[in-house]
Amino acid sequence: DVKVTQSSRYLVKRTGEKVFLECVQDMDHENMFWYRQDPGLGLRLIYFSYDVKMKEKGDIPEGYSVSREKKERFSLILESASTNQTSMYLCASSRQSPNEKLFFGSGTQLSVL
Amino acid sequence: GESVGLHLPTLSVQEGDNSIINCAYSNSASDYFIWYKQESGKGPQFIIDIRSNMDKRQGQRVTVLLNKTVKHLSLQIAATQPGDSAVYFCAEKRGFQKLVFGTGTRLLVSP
Repeated sequence: DVKVTQSSRYLVKRTGEKVFLECVQDMDHENMFWYRQDPGLGLRLIYFSYDVKMKEKGDIPEGYSVSREKKERFSLILESASTNQTSMYLCASSRQSPNEKLFFGSGTQLSVL
Repeated sequence: GESVGLHLPTLSVQEGDNSIINCAYSNSASDYFIWYKQESGKGPQFIIDIRSNMDKRQGQRVTVLLNKTVKHLSLQIAATQPGDSAVYFCAEKRGFQKLVFGTGTRLLVSP
């Protein structure tokens, strides 16, 4: 069964902290994505990666960075967490062909105090 | 600008009824659409997809209809069950590998 695993289900951090959100997929997918989900706004794309060491900005990359050192792992980094980054963060992966569905992890609920 | 919107934020139905969830999209060049279901505490799960060269696609108890003339997408769930209660998102593919999601519709199924 396909699986996307996010390392933490809940995280509480303080303003200004550096935060790492980790995501691992076991499907040998080329593409990986980070979304944030906020009530009334749906899912918004932060960053995605279509290959190891490659990254592309999504719609809301400000305040975030990513790292993809290995094919199966995609990390989202908040360099200096702020309260407006309190959100549900969802990682997803997909194969690299024109029309491929995304497989999502269960999400990490991040609270920045 | 980008717009993938849902007409009804909450839909309440009785168990056994058919449910219809609607979605409007704005980019006439979009060629691939997906419906996802998100249960409480879980990530979105794929339900069904459709390419723009199709008008209709059926799965198990679900049907997706695509009307390109008015840029409208719908998800029909037959014989809705309590386990169908969730938030449903439509998404359209824009550009290489990029999905744009709607804001979601909550489906509530009463026994």
